Amino acid sequence: NAGVMQNPRHLVRRRGQEARLRCSPMKGHSHVYWYRQLPEEGLKFMVYLQKENIIDESGMPKERFSAEFPKEGPSILRIQQVVRGDSAAYFCASSPMGAMNTEAFFGQGTRLTVV
Amino acid sequence: DQQVKQNSPSLSVQEGRISILNCDYTNSMFDYFLWYKKYPAEGPTFLISISSIKDKNEDGRFTVFLNKSAKHLSLHIVPSQPGDSAVYFCAAHPWISTASKLTFGTGTRLQVML
Repeated sequence: NAGVMQNPRHLVRRRGQEARLRCSPMKGHSHVYWYRQLPEEGLKFMVYLQKENIIDESGMPKERFSAEFPKEGPSILRIQQVVRGDSAAYFCASSPMGAMNTEAFFGQGTRLTVV
Repeated sequence: DQQVKQNSPSLSVQEGRISILNCDYTNSMFDYFLWYKKYPAEGPTFLISISSIKDKNEDGRFTVFLNKSAKHLSLHIVPSQPGDSAVYFCAAHPWISTASKLTFGTGTRLQVML
């Protein structure tokens, strides 16, 4: 049973370009969460999705950021017109169900560098 | 507004000794607490958890203590091993919330010396 898979592991974008980060949850998991870790900080919640639904996006910046988890395929975190401040490690986590679950399993992360 | 605080950014411990990592929280709605371990260039790995109805949970070398009145929890690792060297994150959520909308502390880097 493969773990949470994120790709790419490293992504370099120039300012103004778009970044697409992908996350395939563990088999059987239908809940996906995205977190961002800025240098020297803890992980900050961004968005919680179930298949075809955004459940909680309270941690998402209001502009340029969007997320989806389609019926088929991985979850995508999309950052448009990237700026240097978007440079961070982005982690995806998955769990089999929401409120009654006690832990989530994290992927290895995508390290985004904006130059 | 840092609702989960880990005030020690780093800790060095001799192999075989006890490591004690501390965590404080301010949100009284938090009911479930977790510790994650993170190696460089990897994602966090779940270590141990505790709900607010308990004051202690033990799993092998790892024990988490919760003092709800003080809004404080700690992770004890005994005996410490070199492979325990990593960054440890404390995390919390309200029980009624979706479990994985976790609020994380800033982490404590543990170094276990030979």
